[in-house]
Amino acid sequence: QLMESGGGVVQPGMSLRLSCEASGFSFSMHGMHWVRQAPGKGLEWLGVIAYGEDITYYADSMKARVTISRDNSKNTVYLQMTSLTDADTATYYCARDYFPVLGRIDSWGQGTPVTVSS
Amino acid sequence: QSALTQPASVSGSPGQSITISCTGTSSDIGSYNYVSWYQQFPGKAPKLIIFDVDNRPSGVSDRFSGSKSDNTASLAISGLQAEDEADYYCSSYTTSSTYVFGTGTTVTVL
Repeated sequence: QLMESGGGVVQPGMSLRLSCEASGFSFSMHGMHWVRQAPGKGLEWLGVIAYGEDITYYADSMKARVTISRDNSKNTVYLQMTSLTDADTATYYCARDYFPVLGRIDSWGQGTPVTVSS
Repeated sequence: QSALTQPASVSGSPGQSITISCTGTSSDIGSYNYVSWYQQFPGKAPKLIIFDVDNRPSGVSDRFSGSKSDNTASLAISGLQAEDEADYYCSSYTTSSTYVFGTGTTVTVL
């Protein structure tokens, strides 16, 4: 099970930090992704962190503003995003990869909505 | 990393078969067999229905099947049912060690 938290209303220009707590599987053995979906739009992959906490890959469009980290002792993965604009309004999902790094997203959290608005 | 290209919508009558295409490049679909398909209902999280081009997770109906040729993957739904009405997304691993989704297809059961 994956449970995201930290969503809500954020002012333009501010930063956000989302958390995703995992349970029911060996968290430290899997890559963990963040994916977002703007209202009425498709899925957008943001990035992934490998099982070992020190390898990350990001979408080119997000590289400058996004940091993904994880704490395997807490079974938790984090997403930090800076300089938010209204284009960042979306539901943010964390998702598990079947592999230790990436290749196949096989399960998803329920998502946490983020609204960027003044 | 451009999104994989899918038709915006596909429709069919109950009992019919439909196919959704997913076109990428030699940097994603054409390079690996790490193609997955997801089903998403309104307001819900996506659900994996096909992985590694043509494999179904346990519990997914065998009416769903996947295939790939060169840079294009396809999802087929046979014996279309009202419960299949949803959005469908393809995805692929890429040569840049990233992940890319398709543009999404809305399936309508007439």
